[in-house]
Amino acid sequence: QVQLQESGPGLVKASETLSLTCTVSGGSISSYYWSWIRQSPGKGLEWIGYIYDSGNTNYNPSLKSRVTISVDTSKNQFSLKLSSVTAADTAVYYCARSYCSSVICFGFFDYWGQGTLVTVSS
Amino acid sequence: EIVLTQSPGTLSLSPGERATLSCRASQSVSNTFLAWYQQKPGQAPRLLIYAASTRATGIPDRFSGSGSGTDFTLTISRLEPEDFAVYYCQQYVNSPRTFGQGTKVEIK
Repeated sequence: QVQLQESGPGLVKASETLSLTCTVSGGSISSYYWSWIRQSPGKGLEWIGYIYDSGNTNYNPSLKSRVTISVDTSKNQFSLKLSSVTAADTAVYYCARSYCSSVICFGFFDYWGQGTLVTVSS
Repeated sequence: EIVLTQSPGTLSLSPGERATLSCRASQSVSNTFLAWYQQKPGQAPRLLIYAASTRATGIPDRFSGSGSGTDFTLTISRLEPEDFAVYYCQQYVNSPRTFGQGTKVEIK
Protein backbone atom coordinates (compact mmCIF):
# COMPACT_ATOMS: atom_id res chain seq x y z
CA GLN A 1 0.00 0.00 0.00
CA VAL A 2 1.45 3.33 -1.08
CA GLN A 3 1.78 5.89 1.69
CA LEU A 4 2.77 9.55 1.49
CA GLN A 5 3.99 11.61 4.42
CA GLU A 6 4.59 15.34 4.44
CA SER A 7 7.24 16.85 6.68
CA GLY A 8 8.57 20.31 7.35
CA PRO A 9 8.18 23.37 9.58
CA GLY A 10 4.66 24.19 10.70
CA LEU A 11 5.46 27.85 11.15
CA VAL A 12 7.13 30.12 8.59
CA LYS A 13 7.75 33.84 8.85
CA ALA A 14 6.28 36.16 6.28
CA SER A 15 8.60 36.90 3.32
CA GLU A 16 10.58 33.70 3.94
CA THR A 17 10.51 30.40 2.04
CA LEU A 18 8.20 27.53 2.91
CA SER A 19 9.88 24.13 2.47
CA LEU A 20 8.14 20.77 2.65
CA THR A 21 9.14 17.23 1.77
CA CYS A 22 6.93 14.29 0.86
CA THR A 23 8.28 10.81 1.51
CA VAL A 24 6.75 8.00 -0.51
CA SER A 25 6.72 4.49 0.96
CA GLY A 26 5.25 1.20 -0.19
CA GLY A 27 6.01 1.94 -3.82
CA SER A 28 8.47 3.59 -6.16
CA ILE A 29 8.44 7.27 -6.98
CA SER A 30 9.43 6.40 -10.53
CA SER A 31 6.97 6.57 -13.43
CA TYR A 32 4.40 8.66 -11.61
CA TYR A 33 3.43 12.31 -11.40
CA TRP A 34 3.60 13.79 -7.92
CA SER A 35 1.72 16.89 -6.89
CA TRP A 36 1.43 19.41 -4.11
CA ILE A 37 -2.06 20.62 -3.25
CA ARG A 38 -3.06 23.03 -0.53
CA GLN A 39 -6.29 23.76 1.28
CA SER A 40 -7.18 26.97 3.04
CA PRO A 41 -10.55 28.14 4.32
CA GLY A 42 -10.55 31.05 1.95
CA LYS A 43 -9.56 29.33 -1.29
CA GLY A 44 -10.54 25.70 -0.86
CA LEU A 45 -8.39 23.10 -2.61
CA GLU A 46 -5.69 24.56 -4.83
CA TRP A 47 -3.35 22.53 -7.00
CA ILE A 48 0.18 23.93 -6.73
CA GLY A 49 2.04 21.84 -9.28
CA TYR A 50 3.50 18.47 -10.17
CA ILE A 51 6.79 16.80 -10.93
CA TYR A 52 7.58 13.64 -12.84
CA ASP A 53 10.43 11.37 -11.87
CA SER A 54 12.48 12.79 -14.73
CA GLY A 55 12.25 16.22 -13.14
CA ASN A 56 9.67 17.56 -15.59
CA THR A 57 7.45 20.08 -13.77
CA ASN A 58 4.20 21.95 -14.30
CA TYR A 59 3.08 24.72 -11.96
CA ASN A 60 -0.14 26.58 -11.34
CA PRO A 61 0.28 29.96 -13.08
CA SER A 62 -1.06 31.70 -9.98
CA LEU A 63 1.96 30.51 -7.99
CA LYS A 64 4.52 29.80 -10.72
CA SER A 65 6.82 32.72 -9.93
CA ARG A 66 7.27 31.52 -6.34
CA VAL A 67 7.18 27.71 -6.61
CA THR A 68 9.87 25.10 -7.08
CA ILE A 69 9.15 21.37 -6.92
CA SER A 70 12.05 18.94 -7.00
CA VAL A 71 12.48 15.18 -6.73
CA ASP A 72 15.07 12.90 -5.16
CA THR A 73 14.45 9.44 -6.58
CA SER A 74 17.22 7.89 -4.48
CA LYS A 75 15.31 8.84 -1.33
CA ASN A 76 11.82 8.33 -2.81
CA GLN A 77 11.03 11.93 -1.92
CA PHE A 78 9.86 15.08 -3.61
CA SER A 79 9.86 18.58 -2.22
CA LEU A 80 8.10 21.93 -2.38
CA LYS A 81 9.61 25.36 -1.97
CA LEU A 82 7.34 28.41 -1.93
CA SER A 83 9.13 31.73 -1.63
CA SER A 84 8.09 35.13 -0.31
CA VAL A 85 5.21 33.72 1.69
CA THR A 86 2.40 35.83 3.13
CA ALA A 87 -0.53 35.10 5.41
CA ALA A 88 -2.46 34.02 2.30
CA ASP A 89 -0.16 31.00 2.05
CA THR A 90 -1.34 29.66 5.40
CA ALA A 91 -2.96 26.32 4.59
CA VAL A 92 -2.87 22.58 4.97
CA TYR A 93 -0.42 21.30 2.39
CA TYR A 94 -0.94 17.85 0.86
CA CYS A 95 1.26 15.77 -1.36
CA ALA A 96 -0.53 13.44 -3.75
CA ARG A 97 0.07 10.93 -6.51
CA SER A 98 -1.55 11.05 -9.94
CA TYR A 99 -3.25 7.87 -11.07
CA CYS A 100 -1.43 5.92 -13.75
CA SER A 101 -2.72 2.94 -15.68
CA SER A 102 -0.32 0.59 -17.43
CA VAL A 103 -0.04 2.96 -20.38
CA ILE A 104 -0.99 6.49 -19.36
CA CYS A 105 -1.19 8.82 -16.38
CA PHE A 106 -4.08 11.12 -15.56
CA GLY A 107 -4.36 14.31 -13.56
CA PHE A 108 -6.51 13.06 -10.72
CA PHE A 109 -5.14 11.88 -7.40
CA ASP A 110 -5.42 8.37 -6.01
CA TYR A 111 -3.09 8.61 -3.03
CA TRP A 112 -2.75 11.55 -0.65
CA GLY A 113 -0.62 12.34 2.35
CA GLN A 114 -2.38 13.20 5.60
CA GLY A 115 -1.55 16.87 5.15
CA THR A 116 0.50 19.28 7.18
CA LEU A 117 -0.61 22.68 8.43
CA VAL A 118 1.72 25.53 7.63
CA THR A 119 1.05 28.85 9.29
CA VAL A 120 2.70 32.03 8.07
CA SER A 121 3.40 34.45 10.88
CA SER A 122 4.13 38.12 10.67
CA GLU B 1 -8.56 28.06 -16.11
CA ILE B 2 -11.70 25.96 -15.75
CA VAL B 3 -13.87 27.10 -12.85
CA LEU B 4 -16.00 24.42 -11.20
CA THR B 5 -19.13 25.49 -9.35
CA GLN B 6 -20.73 23.00 -6.99
CA SER B 7 -24.30 23.12 -5.73
CA PRO B 8 -25.84 23.14 -3.30
CA GLY B 9 -23.34 24.41 -0.77
CA THR B 10 -24.92 22.28 1.93
CA LEU B 11 -27.29 19.34 1.66
CA SER B 12 -29.21 18.35 4.79
CA LEU B 13 -30.47 14.78 4.56
CA SER B 14 -31.25 11.78 6.73
CA PRO B 15 -29.55 8.38 6.60
CA GLY B 16 -31.15 6.24 3.92
CA GLU B 17 -32.03 9.19 1.73
CA ARG B 18 -30.66 9.88 -1.74
CA ALA B 19 -28.11 12.65 -2.25
CA THR B 20 -27.63 14.43 -5.56
CA LEU B 21 -24.66 16.78 -5.89
CA SER B 22 -23.97 18.98 -8.89
CA CYS B 23 -20.73 20.24 -10.43
CA ARG B 24 -20.87 22.72 -13.30
CA ALA B 25 -17.80 23.68 -15.33
CA SER B 26 -17.11 27.07 -16.92
CA GLN B 27 -16.09 25.30 -20.13
CA SER B 28 -16.46 21.81 -21.49
CA VAL B 29 -14.57 19.08 -19.66
CA SER B 30 -13.72 16.93 -22.66
CA ASN B 31 -13.16 13.19 -22.36
CA THR B 32 -15.16 13.40 -19.09
CA PHE B 33 -11.91 14.13 -17.26
CA LEU B 34 -13.71 14.82 -14.01
CA ALA B 35 -13.19 13.27 -10.57
CA TRP B 36 -15.04 13.33 -7.26
CA TYR B 37 -13.53 13.19 -3.78
CA GLN B 38 -14.90 12.78 -0.27
CA GLN B 39 -13.30 14.59 2.65
CA LYS B 40 -13.99 14.11 6.34
CA PRO B 41 -12.76 16.48 9.06
CA GLY B 42 -9.04 16.22 9.68
CA GLN B 43 -8.52 13.85 6.74
CA ALA B 44 -7.19 14.14 3.24
CA PRO B 45 -9.60 13.93 0.32
CA ARG B 46 -10.40 10.38 -0.79
CA LEU B 47 -10.90 9.53 -4.46
CA LEU B 48 -14.42 8.27 -5.17
CA ILE B 49 -15.01 8.63 -8.91
CA TYR B 50 -12.88 9.37 -11.97
CA ALA B 51 -13.66 9.73 -15.66
CA ALA B 52 -16.98 11.15 -14.44
CA SER B 53 -18.50 7.72 -13.75
CA THR B 54 -15.84 5.14 -12.86
CA ARG B 55 -15.71 4.18 -9.21
CA ALA B 56 -12.26 4.03 -7.65
CA THR B 57 -11.05 0.84 -6.04
CA GLY B 58 -13.02 -0.10 -2.95
CA ILE B 59 -15.75 2.51 -3.38
CA PRO B 60 -19.26 1.14 -2.64
CA ASP B 61 -21.73 1.00 -5.49
CA ARG B 62 -24.11 3.38 -3.74
CA PHE B 63 -21.81 6.09 -5.13
CA SER B 64 -22.32 6.86 -8.80
CA GLY B 65 -21.24 9.63 -11.13
CA SER B 66 -22.67 10.88 -14.37
CA GLY B 67 -22.53 13.76 -16.78
CA SER B 68 -20.54 15.17 -19.64
CA GLY B 69 -19.58 18.51 -21.15
CA THR B 70 -20.16 21.09 -18.45
CA ASP B 71 -22.63 19.35 -16.13
CA PHE B 72 -21.75 16.50 -13.80
CA THR B 73 -23.54 14.79 -10.94
CA LEU B 74 -22.52 12.65 -7.99
CA THR B 75 -25.31 10.53 -6.56
CA ILE B 76 -25.30 8.63 -3.29
CA SER B 77 -28.24 6.27 -3.56
CA ARG B 78 -28.81 5.63 0.15
CA LEU B 79 -26.83 7.64 2.65
CA GLU B 80 -24.95 5.68 5.27
CA PRO B 81 -23.78 7.38 8.49
CA GLU B 82 -20.18 7.40 7.21
CA ASP B 83 -21.19 9.31 4.05
CA PHE B 84 -21.78 12.60 5.83
CA ALA B 85 -18.80 14.63 4.66
CA VAL B 86 -17.72 17.26 2.15
CA TYR B 87 -17.53 16.33 -1.52
CA TYR B 88 -15.37 17.98 -4.16
CA CYS B 89 -15.25 17.70 -7.92
CA GLN B 90 -11.99 18.20 -9.83
CA GLN B 91 -11.23 18.56 -13.52
CA TYR B 92 -8.07 17.20 -15.05
CA VAL B 93 -8.58 17.99 -18.71
CA ASN B 94 -6.65 21.26 -18.45
CA SER B 95 -3.82 22.70 -16.46
CA PRO B 96 -4.08 24.06 -13.87
CA ARG B 97 -6.07 21.25 -12.27
CA THR B 98 -8.97 22.87 -10.45
CA PHE B 99 -11.43 21.85 -7.77
CA GLY B 100 -14.95 22.92 -6.96
CA GLN B 101 -15.60 24.69 -3.68
CA GLY B 102 -17.30 21.64 -2.18
CA THR B 103 -20.74 20.44 -1.09
CA LYS B 104 -21.25 19.53 2.54
CA VAL B 105 -23.65 16.65 3.15
CA GLU B 106 -24.89 16.97 6.71
CA ILE B 107 -27.25 15.01 8.88
CA LYS B 108 -30.72 16.50 8.99
